[in-house]
Amino acid sequence: GENVEQHPSTLSVQEGDSAVIKCTYSDSASNYFPWYKQELGKRPQLIIDIRSNVGEKKDQRIAVTLNKTAKHFSLHITETQPEDSAVYFCAASANNAGNMLTFGGGTRLMVKP
Amino acid sequence: EAQVTQNPRYLITVTGKKLTVTCSQNMNHEYMSWYRQDPGLGLRQIYYSMNVEVTDKGDVPEGYKVSRKEKRNFPLILESPSPNQTSLYFCASSQPLGRITGELFFGEGSRLTVL
Repeated sequence: GENVEQHPSTLSVQEGDSAVIKCTYSDSASNYFPWYKQELGKRPQLIIDIRSNVGEKKDQRIAVTLNKTAKHFSLHITETQPEDSAVYFCAASANNAGNMLTFGGGTRLMVKP
Repeated sequence: EAQVTQNPRYLITVTGKKLTVTCSQNMNHEYMSWYRQDPGLGLRQIYYSMNVEVTDKGDVPEGYKVSRKEKRNFPLILESPSPNQTSLYFCASSQPLGRITGELFFGEGSRLTVL
């Protein structure tokens, strides 16, 4: 089955700096890669996703890049703000597995004011 | 309001005492799933259901049961809970577009402690 590894497990940045979280996956059939944000004590919520027919997607201060050859994808947050502090999860899914998502271990991002 | 509702939100129980965590969604989603969240391990899938009467094992199904008799409900059953099932549990639902994976909508979570 799919295996998703996520790094780093914790990341501390200064407000205004950029943050990058990286994930690798094992199943070459995977073609959907979402990112979820979980604030303290809350449920995970989708913030951005990318499908394998594109290499990059951007939404305001967040962007995701995908390298299918290397089987890795990354989340980029620019101009970080204290409200970006949360745990971020990457995930991967192959459509032929139905809707089954495999999540990475999570990254705790702390943005220091 | 579109939502996924789990109950109970918090539960402390003892080893071997059967319990059920209910999950209900009002979005008419076909797909429902249960995850457990443990520090450093991310979200691990327990069971999922593609539609009524269709369920399948995820990555960590041992010790759990599910049923999907109605589209909106997907209860998680722990027949004989053990301390290693102490965790934070999330129910989630999604509406795939054909076979294309869709956004997962999570419930608020159920924190279970087994003594």
